[in-house]
Amino acid sequence: GAVVSQHPSWVICKSGTSVKIECRSLDFQATTMFWYRQFPKQSLMLMATSNEGSKATYEQGVEKDKFLINHASLTLSTLTVTSAHPEDSSFYICSDRDFHTDTQYFGPGTRLTVL
Amino acid sequence: AQSVAQPEDQVNVAEGNPLTVKCTYSVSGNPYLFWYVQYPNRGLQFLLKYITGDNLVKGSYGFEAEFNKSQTSFHLKKPSALVSDSALYFCAVRPLYSGAGSYQLTFGKGTKLSVIP
Repeated sequence: GAVVSQHPSWVICKSGTSVKIECRSLDFQATTMFWYRQFPKQSLMLMATSNEGSKATYEQGVEKDKFLINHASLTLSTLTVTSAHPEDSSFYICSDRDFHTDTQYFGPGTRLTVL
Repeated sequence: AQSVAQPEDQVNVAEGNPLTVKCTYSVSGNPYLFWYVQYPNRGLQFLLKYITGDNLVKGSYGFEAEFNKSQTSFHLKKPSALVSDSALYFCAVRPLYSGAGSYQLTFGKGTKLSVIP
C-alpha cells in the first residue's frame, strides 16, 4: 500500500516548548492531508484538514493558534504544537488522501509526551 | 451527519476459527466505506474499501467485508483467524460524492480483536 511517513515517531518535551511533527507522502501526491489525535483506547479525533497551498480547516474546539498546520507541498505537511502543556500529550496521526485512488493512508503516528 | 457504530468493544476468537467484526453506518447518499487496522503504537493500515459493485470486497491479509445496503452494515470477516490478526480495527464512512472537497472520514470507536492460540 501507499506509504506515509511521520517524524519523529516519539518526542518528549518540556512544558512551554514547541514541537514540530512532519508528515510526508512518499509515493503519491497528497492534495489533502488530515491531522488526527488519538487518546488511549479511543478512536481518532480529527483536528484539521489541510489542502495544499491553502489554510487548514480546523475542527470545532481545536485551537488553530496552538496547533499550527502547514501544507506547503503535495508531499509534506507539518503540525506544530506551540507552547505545549501536559494536556497536549497524545498520539498524533497524519493521513494523506491519494487523489487517484480517493483513499486515505495513515502515517505511523507520533507519541508526544509533555513534561 | 454521518456516523459509524461498532457495537463490540472486543471480539475474542480462537485461532483457525472464522472471525467477524461488526460495523453499521449512517450517511447521506451512497456510502464510501473503509476498514483500517491499528497495531499498538502505530498508525492505521488500510485493509479494504467499498465503493460500488460487488457487495463482497476482498482486502489485505485475507480479510473481506460484506456490504449490506438494507441493513446499512459493512462487517469485516476472515475465514480463518491468525494470532497475528490481534489488533484494533476501525470502520469508517464518508459520502461517496463529497462536495466542495470534503473528504473527511467518520470513524467508529474501534473493536479490539484478540485471537487466542
